[in-house]
Amino acid sequence: EVQLVQSGAEVKKPGESLRISCKGSGYYFTNYWIGWVRQMPGKGLECMGIIYPADSDTRYSPSFQGQVTISADKSITTAYLQWSSLKASDTAMYYCARRYSSGSGDAFDIWGQGTMVTVSS
Amino acid sequence: EIVLTQSPGTLSLSPGERATLSCRASQSVSSSYLAWYQQKPGQAPRLLIYGASSRATGIPDRFSGSGSGTDFTLTISRLEPEDFAVYYCQQYGSSTFTFGPGTKVDIK
Repeated sequence: EVQLVQSGAEVKKPGESLRISCKGSGYYFTNYWIGWVRQMPGKGLECMGIIYPADSDTRYSPSFQGQVTISADKSITTAYLQWSSLKASDTAMYYCARRYSSGSGDAFDIWGQGTMVTVSS
Repeated sequence: EIVLTQSPGTLSLSPGERATLSCRASQSVSSSYLAWYQQKPGQAPRLLIYGASSRATGIPDRFSGSGSGTDFTLTISRLEPEDFAVYYCQQYGSSTFTFGPGTKVDIK
């Protein structure tokens, strides 16, 4: 079964660092881009960036450039999203998703279950 | 950056009715790069349509997508109880994905 399994919910204080993970299984992890998507409470979906695990080529959406770091370790089929200094406004659900790309289309076809990050003093 | 606008914001319909959801882009989008997702409360989004009109694996044929250029449509031919949810369109361009704000389909 193709799946992405994310790490568990986190509660952090402002200024703390954090790394959350997304482990892929059931497919060739290095053959597909992985994206990270933010959903703030009661709001819509925002793509933060994408990474190609084979060579760690990473593309950030303009709003998130410099705010987070996306990385991957292909040896353990895991992608990461990390913050060096969290803010209350980082409170959100974070999803990872596999990018399906072919001549007929380009979309996120497999999604992780989400990781809830709460930042509060 | 391409901006997607979805209308209406909320669509109130009864089971069995037809739902027509609109997604408009601020500039032309390649049809290959237009997708639709469904999200229910407490769940991750689910891919419905990719390439503007191709149904994803396991998606019932009551869901269909159409459109080109700047105007795209998701149609649900006959609403089932499980179809009441939020629907997002998404496009890929300039090495990034952007989503529309969503249309909520709720029970009338």
